[in-house]
Amino acid sequence: EIVMTQSPATLSVSPGERVTLSCRASQSVSSNLAWYQQKPGQAPRLLIHGASTRATGIPARFSGSGSWTEFTLTISSLRSEDFAVYYCQHYHGWPKTFGQGTKVEIK
Amino acid sequence: EVQLLESGGGLVQPGGSLRLSCAASGFDFATYGMHWVRQSPGKGLEWVSGISGSGAYTYSADSVKGRLTVSRDNSKNTLYLQMNSLRAEDTAVYYCAKDVQQLPYNWFDSWGQGTLVTVSS
Repeated sequence: EIVMTQSPATLSVSPGERVTLSCRASQSVSSNLAWYQQKPGQAPRLLIHGASTRATGIPARFSGSGSWTEFTLTISSLRSEDFAVYYCQHYHGWPKTFGQGTKVEIK
Repeated sequence: EVQLLESGGGLVQPGGSLRLSCAASGFDFATYGMHWVRQSPGKGLEWVSGISGSGAYTYSADSVKGRLTVSRDNSKNTLYLQMNSLRAEDTAVYYCAKDVQQLPYNWFDSWGQGTLVTVSS
């Protein structure tokens, strides 16, 4: 099983700041990596697939990068609606494991 | 617009059974693979099972193999999760999620709102 490790667990940020979230895979997943956003009481929402391709309707302030085992989600200028938990997930074989999540909270 | 609506959750005793349903609309259901993903209270996401658009191929996490079984009825646009021999650690919100292709090998582009399953005596 591929283990996905996200860091940090929690990030305290002010609106307008640039945010960088990390996700590491225990073995290569090529570019088979997605990012999801989850707000309290809501279902996850797809942000990024293929490590760097924004999903339909996702604002340009969200960007993804990386390949093989190291990945990054960047929010260029944090808005109030971006405070949430972010999960990475690989889809390079089975099982499709998720990271434990990074909570982005208001500083 | 893609809509996924889960139902069937509730309180069940350890060792009991439950069947979850996910009613799909807004897309050609038989053309897409589907998944179940769960989230224990206050915890992260765990992929549970996936099924191809035709239903011919299914995949499950080791933690649920032999107990939780995914299936689908394309004539009813509905995904199912049959849950047997339930344990306390199966307590979670269960989400259905849509794959982007026929075979369930990809990312999930739409999610339902989830249904809560509580396993407790």
